Parts: sequence; structure tokens; C-alpha cells
Amino acid sequence: EDKVVQSPLSLVVHEGDTVTLNCSYEVTNFRSLLWYKQEKKAPTFLFMLTSSGIEKKSGRLSSILDKKELFSILNITATQTGDSAIYLCAARPDSDMRFGAGTRLTVKP
Amino acid sequence: KAGVTQTPRYLIKTRGQQVTLSCSPISGHRSVSWYQQTPGQGLQFLFEYFSETQRNKGNFPGRFSGRQFSNSRSEMNVSTLELGDSALYLCASSFWSGVGETQYFGPGTRLLVL
Repeated sequence: EDKVVQSPLSLVVHEGDTVTLNCSYEVTNFRSLLWYKQEKKAPTFLFMLTSSGIEKKSGRLSSILDKKELFSILNITATQTGDSAIYLCAARPDSDMRFGAGTRLTVKP
Repeated sequence: KAGVTQTPRYLIKTRGQQVTLSCSPISGHRSVSWYQQTPGQGLQFLFEYFSETQRNKGNFPGRFSGRQFSNSRSEMNVSTLELGDSALYLCASSFWSGVGETQYFGPGTRLLVL
């Protein structure tokens, strides 16, 4: 059965720290992996990754995919309190989409 | 550009009733996806429409259906509501560019089934 596992489930850091969030997946006929940020409302799309080893970057956030080892990481550098949120990853097989349970990140001042 | 809009924002129904939710994508976006979010199951994919055709479908019973109109607006319908259908229903519109797909979510419709 297709599955997506995120780790850690929750993380508490202080402003300025760098964090790495993990997403491993097992899906049939993998097409892409997506990252989202969710605060108290609808998710915000962050990245879509399809190719191994190509880093996607947006400001302090970056992400990379390893299709051989079946995982992706999301890095956040110089964290700020506004980064506090649940970070979700999702893997797309042929016709479906599977979400992980999310990593709850809390950034303390 | 206006964002993705969903109506209604809140809805209360009783078991056995049916419900129709609406989603208007960002102008020019031809792809609309629907998701269900609950505290117990998290975020789950329902289906995706592109140019009026269902392109992908998640693992939900046939009580959940959808459609997309020629103006890209989409509706999803849930028939014979069950208590477990209480959830936040999200839609997202997306477009493809040289760097891949970008999605934008609407605010969601919160459905409560009593």
C-alpha cells in the first residue's frame, strides 16, 4: 500500500536555528513529491519535486528529492516565529496523492 | 488576481442528506483538486479535474463525486452523508509552468454532519 511517513512528528527550535524535516515515501509509479505549509488555515504550496538531486529554493526554504532512497527533505534556515506551522509532504503516484501526517514545527523567540 | 474561492464556507447537515460544495479557481487555471481534512485522517486527496475531465481520483467511496464546468469552476457532491464526513473540504487550483506545478488553496468549506 502506498504510504508517506514524515519525521519528526513535532519539533521545537529557537529563532535562528536551522531545521531539516524528513519525508519518506513508498508509492507505486511515483510522479512527484510536494511540500506544503499549514498554519491555522488552508495549506500553502511550497515546492513540487520531480527529479532527484535538484534543489528547489525559495528564500530560507529549500528542498531536495532522492528518488533512489525514496525520501525528500525540507530545510529551513534562520528560522523565525512565523515559520511555526505544520509542514506536510505528499507523494503523487499515478492517479492518487498520499499525504504524510505532517511535522509540527514550533519556533520560539 | 482573485484567489480561489469556495462556497459555502460553513455548512451543517444531517445524516442521510446530500451536499454540494463549489470551488472557483484562479482565473486561467484549468486544474482543480479537492481534498478532505480531518483530525483523525489528516489531509486526503479526493479527486482532480482538468478541462472538465476527472484526471485523478483518491480512495473515497462513490458517494463522493465531482465535476468541472467549462469555465473551470468545480463542484463536489457528497450523497447520503455520514457523521464521518464532517471535515474541512479544500479545493486547490493549479497551473503548470517551466518549473512545474504551483497550487493555490481556497479557504475551505467546513462541513458538520449531525
